[in-house]
Amino acid sequence: DVKVTQSSRYLVKRTGEKVFLECVQDMDHENMFWYRQDPGLGLRLIYFSYDVKMKEKGDIPEGYSVSREKKERFSLILESASTNQTSMYLCASSFSRGTPNTGELFFGEGSRLTVL
Amino acid sequence: RKEVEQDPGPFNVPEGATVAFNCTYSNSASQSFFWYRQDCRKEPKLLMSVYSSGNEDGRFTAQLNRASQYISLLIRDSKLSDSATYLCVVSRYNQGGKLIFGQGTELSVKP
Repeated sequence: DVKVTQSSRYLVKRTGEKVFLECVQDMDHENMFWYRQDPGLGLRLIYFSYDVKMKEKGDIPEGYSVSREKKERFSLILESASTNQTSMYLCASSFSRGTPNTGELFFGEGSRLTVL
Repeated sequence: RKEVEQDPGPFNVPEGATVAFNCTYSNSASQSFFWYRQDCRKEPKLLMSVYSSGNEDGRFTAQLNRASQYISLLIRDSKLSDSATYLCVVSRYNQGGKLIFGQGTELSVKP
């Protein structure tokens, strides 16, 4: 079975703190994604990566950065956390982006971040 | 306007009922379409892909109307275990196949 593991299920941080969210997948997937999920807004793409050391902005990258030094690991960084970044963060991975795209993303269980 | 729109519900239906969810998308460049299911406090998981000719998987039927940019999911003979949020998802091939999620429709099946 594909496994996507997120390092922390629940985090509480203070405004201005630097936050690291780690994600590891064990299926040698090329593609990795970070989404945030908020009530009424659904999942919104923050950043994604198709290869090691490669990253692309999603729809809401402001206030976030990412790092992909190894194929299996994709980290999301909040340089200076703010209260509007309180959310559920979901990491996902998928097979090669080559067509046909199966559309199957494998998600981690999520990291619920609260910024006070 | 959101790129993928769904009625958030909740839909409250009795066991055995037939329920239909609708979804519209605004980007005509969208090429692939999917339904995901998300249980309460769990991660989303792929339910089924949606093909132009329509497709069925057991009690679930998905339809696509490209001209109207409309996707549907029909669940027949609802079970208690179908209670979940159903997410409509489209893929933009012209942007590397990124998946764009609707906000989800909540279904609650009652005994």
